[in-house]
Amino acid sequence: KAGVTQTPRYLIKTRGQQVTLSCSPISGHRSVSWYQQTPGQGLQFLFEYFSETQRNKGNFPGRFSGRQFSNSRSEMNVSTLELGDSALYLCASGQDNYGYTFGSGTRLTVV
Amino acid sequence: GNSVTQMEGPVTLSEEAFLTINCTYTATGYPSLFWYVQYPGEGLQLLLKATKADDKGSNKGFEATYRKETTSFHLEKGSVQVSDSAVYFCALSDTGTASKLTFGTGTRLQVTL
Repeated sequence: KAGVTQTPRYLIKTRGQQVTLSCSPISGHRSVSWYQQTPGQGLQFLFEYFSETQRNKGNFPGRFSGRQFSNSRSEMNVSTLELGDSALYLCASGQDNYGYTFGSGTRLTVV
Repeated sequence: GNSVTQMEGPVTLSEEAFLTINCTYTATGYPSLFWYVQYPGEGLQLLLKATKADDKGSNKGFEATYRKETTSFHLEKGSVQVSDSAVYFCALSDTGTASKLTFGTGTRLQVTL
């Protein structure tokens, strides 16, 4: 059974640009959650999508957005990038309360 | 709001030593509790979980017991191996699913021969 796939693995962007990250969940999982991991703030919840609807949202500015498609694949978008957006972005998929499976992440560097 | 507090790392142990990583939490209601492990360059892997008071989660020799009276979920292992070297995260979820996790800051474990 394939795991959670995140693409790309690495990205370098310039301040002010926008970026789109992709997450393909485990087959059959309808929920996808996104997290930002930084050395200073640790792991912080961004948002969760379930059946194409945002079900939970963390405390991030509106520059961070996401969406989910009918096949459960999800994308997150960050507009007007800032240096502080440099982080490892992790997505996780699940279908019950057992525990979510995480992908290996996309490392975004903003220069 | 919810929060999770973990002991500061790094924790350095010799192989076969006993491991304890402390974790306490603050939450309303009855959250589910988790331990995740992150190896270098990888995402997080679920290590174990507990969903109600006095539940004991266990996996790969690791154990943690949900203690509501002390709001704790300490991770233990009787004999660590070099391959256990990683960062360990304690987390909670109060949404009824594990879709929205509040994490601790992580504790780095280094096991030496």
